[in-house]
Amino acid sequence: AQSVAQPEDQVNVAEGNPLTVKCTYSVSGNPYLFWYVQYPNRGLQFLLKYITGDNLVKGSYGFEAEFNKSQTSFHLKKPSALVSDSALYFCAVRAGSYGGSQGNLIFGKGTKLSVKP
Amino acid sequence: DAGVIQSPRHEVTEMGQEVTLRCKPISGHNSLFWYRQTMMRGLELLIYFNNNVPIDDSGMPEDRFSAKMPNASFSTLKIQPSEPRDSAVYFCASSFIATNTGELFFGEGSRLTVL
Repeated sequence: AQSVAQPEDQVNVAEGNPLTVKCTYSVSGNPYLFWYVQYPNRGLQFLLKYITGDNLVKGSYGFEAEFNKSQTSFHLKKPSALVSDSALYFCAVRAGSYGGSQGNLIFGKGTKLSVKP
Repeated sequence: DAGVIQSPRHEVTEMGQEVTLRCKPISGHNSLFWYRQTMMRGLELLIYFNNNVPIDDSGMPEDRFSAKMPNASFSTLKIQPSEPRDSAVYFCASSFIATNTGELFFGEGSRLTVL
């Protein structure tokens, strides 16, 4: 069964410093991986995805993620954190193959990112 | 373009009452998902539909929960009778299954409190 793990409940970063939010995955077949962000009292917003191709994926708000097949990881990164990046971040994997009927996403438990001025 | 629209945004009810949550997916999307978010369990898939047909309802907690999608633009999640442990934020999401690469588009959620 597909799954993702986010080993950190919380990540604390100073504004201007680089940030990394970790995610590892376990899938059968090719992984389709996603990052979402959730601000307080809001729904989840799509940040970026990896389907195939370049291992470095660029997304919204200056975020990027690096797919590493050998380490089964898909860590979210940003070169310079902003206070406004403080939110809950979710890694997710698609339950089924591309185009298949199982289009639901399986989410990690989330990592709270706190960026201090 | 309008996103996924959920109503109500907040619902406070008493144990035993019926609760109905509503969702309007993005126009043109043919898959719809209901998720529940709690502190203890995170995000859990309850049920999802493809082309208005329920595909997987294995996440529905028990018979008190039911979901329908009578047409491509509307879905409901009903809890009857409600219990305090049903208190959570319920999210609806939609996508276009045939050619998309998987991202779901979420509504703002319905926060349910059962007293």
